[in-house]
Amino acid sequence: AQTVTQSQPEMSVQEAETVTLSCTYDTSESDYYLFWYKQPPSRQMILVIRQEAYKQQNATENRFSVNFQKAAKSFSLKISDSQLGDAAMYFCAYRSATGNQFYFGTGTSLTVIP
Amino acid sequence: DARVTQTPRHKVTEMGQEVTMRCQPILGHNTVFWYRQTMMQGLELLAYFRNRAPLDDSGMPKDRFSAEMPDATLATLKIQPSEPRDSAVYFCASDLGGFGQPQHFGDGTRLSIL
Repeated sequence: AQTVTQSQPEMSVQEAETVTLSCTYDTSESDYYLFWYKQPPSRQMILVIRQEAYKQQNATENRFSVNFQKAAKSFSLKISDSQLGDAAMYFCAYRSATGNQFYFGTGTSLTVIP
Repeated sequence: DARVTQTPRHKVTEMGQEVTMRCQPILGHNTVFWYRQTMMQGLELLAYFRNRAPLDDSGMPKDRFSAEMPDATLATLKIQPSEPRDSAVYFCASDLGGFGQPQHFGDGTRLSIL
């Protein structure tokens, strides 16, 4: 089974600054998708961004962007101009082309300091 | 926006009681997942369905948990008898089932077994 590793249990960032959350994964597949989900204290899981493995261009969504390094099996999330509302738990997830399951990392808790 | 609807949002009950959690997937979504989230274990996949058929329920304790989809608009997760260790947040998620489709999560049911 695929594994997803988030090595940073907690991170903090000053408001308006930039922060990068790390994610690595283990797979032997060539086609797959990667996702970042945000879970604020309200506990709703919100899709932040997704990346197709066959696309070299890094995905971006407003202040959120990824650094996808396929050879290194790395998928980091960069949050620019951090806002108080960005404070949440962030989960990295993997979905293969051949399976139905999502594989989630253990999450990174992000604190935004005013 | 279309959303996954879960009921109840909170449930407190005594050990040994039957608990039923319900989920209404987004209309048109054919894949439904049940997850359990705890501080210790993170997000655990309990079961998932495609076109109402169970594809994998290996994550569920079979002796007390059961998951069904009586129709395309309703998924249920039952625990009988419930135990204090079942206390967790239970999430339902749905998606279109195609490659790369993101999962859409409900708001979860916070279950407390006394």
